[in-house]
Order: sequence, then C-alpha cells, then structure tokens
Amino acid sequence: QSVLTQPPSVSAAPGQKVTISCSGSSSNIGNNHVSWYQQLPGTAPKLLFYENNKRPSGIPDRFSGSKSGTSATLGITGLQTGDEADYYCGTWDSSLSDVVFGGGTKLTVL
Amino acid sequence: EVQLVESGGGLVQRGGSLRLSCAASGFIVSSNYMSWVRQAPGKGLEWVSVIYSGGDTYYSDSVRGRFTISRDDSKNTLYLQMDSLRSEDTAVYYCARRVAVVQGVTKSVYFDYWGQGALVTVSS
Repeated sequence: QSVLTQPPSVSAAPGQKVTISCSGSSSNIGNNHVSWYQQLPGTAPKLLFYENNKRPSGIPDRFSGSKSGTSATLGITGLQTGDEADYYCGTWDSSLSDVVFGGGTKLTVL
Repeated sequence: EVQLVESGGGLVQRGGSLRLSCAASGFIVSSNYMSWVRQAPGKGLEWVSVIYSGGDTYYSDSVRGRFTISRDDSKNTLYLQMDSLRSEDTAVYYCARRVAVVQGVTKSVYFDYWGQGALVTVSS
C-alpha cells in the first residue's frame, strides 16, 4: 500500500488530453513539493517535474504539473503513442522522514 | 553529460550477499546526495537508502541493518552492500542523484538523474 494514491490506469486517444492524480496528506503533499517521473517500458524512471510544476530542460510543454492542498495532478495534452508509460508521483513525508512514491499510473494511448 | 551506470546485479540465494556499484560521470558523487531506489517486479518505486555529501547515511525500515550504502570518492562510484538477502529484496535497483531543497517548512526532494538499473534476484 503506497503512501500516495494514484489511479492504476488511465487511457485516452492520440491527440487528446489526460490527467493523472496523486493524493496524499498534510504530512506529505500538503506541506512539501511534489515531483513526477515517467517510466517508459523497460527503462529507468525519468524526472518530469520537480517542485510541483518545474520542468527540467527537454521536457515538452505538453506536460504540466500542479498542486492544490493535499493533491497533485500531472496533465498531458496532445497525447502521442510515445507517451505510453508508467507515471509516478513522489514527495517528502515529514512524519515518516522518508521519500514516498505513489503506486504508479499506467497510461495507455488508444 | 551526466551518466550513472550500475553493475553487480545477479542471482543470489536467500541469506546471501551482493554488492551493487554505480559509476558516475559528469558530476562529483561526493558533492551530491546519492540514493538507491528499487522496483520489485511489476511494482512501484521504493526508496532504499541515501548518502549525503557529508557522509551521513539513512535507510528505509525494510533494509536497515542489512544494507550498507557507501562511496569511493577516488572512483566517483556509489555502492550498495546487501547482506542477509530475502526473497522480498528481489527487484531492479536504481542509483539516482537526489536533490533536496528546504524552503522554510517546505521540503523538495526529488531524483534528477537515474542509472539504467541492476536486477537482483533472490532465490529461495
């Protein structure tokens, strides 16, 4: 059971928009910044966002990150088949004094 | 260019030991926070351990007392010594550079570079 809750899967058609939620509590998302990672099949995770909505260089602006209260959201517009991957949220948990991750969301582009 | 290359994974019997290595290039390991993160087959990410630039080390409850993180500054390499291995330690182990920023009471901790992963399989 992950500390952060994500939907197991989402799907949408090419060109459409999708959002992936990440729900936590006041000890983690509520008081700390969120990061997002993309894991393409058979590869290592890759940083998509840090500090809720900051994009490392090379990440297209089709991807967006936001946070409100104890939840965070990853948005992807103009979906491409190459976006099919597992997406993970992560943050610091002040009560656990540990980094925690969501269980991951598998994105399928139909 | 930043690169992290793990090695040392393999098949080991329950109760055995294994040492993973992570050779870094493009930055200095000893000047950064470095972590190990693992992923069991078909499962999500789990933070395992961190070594701070000052040398302090921390572990998740699941591996504390059995795993040891260390680094060799002359080789710019990170290590994870894994002892008393259990079947539940079977996973792909990633080394990653960890960034931590504190802004008042708000903390930002994330992993900006990852290695390709090393598979550790513990057989019973």
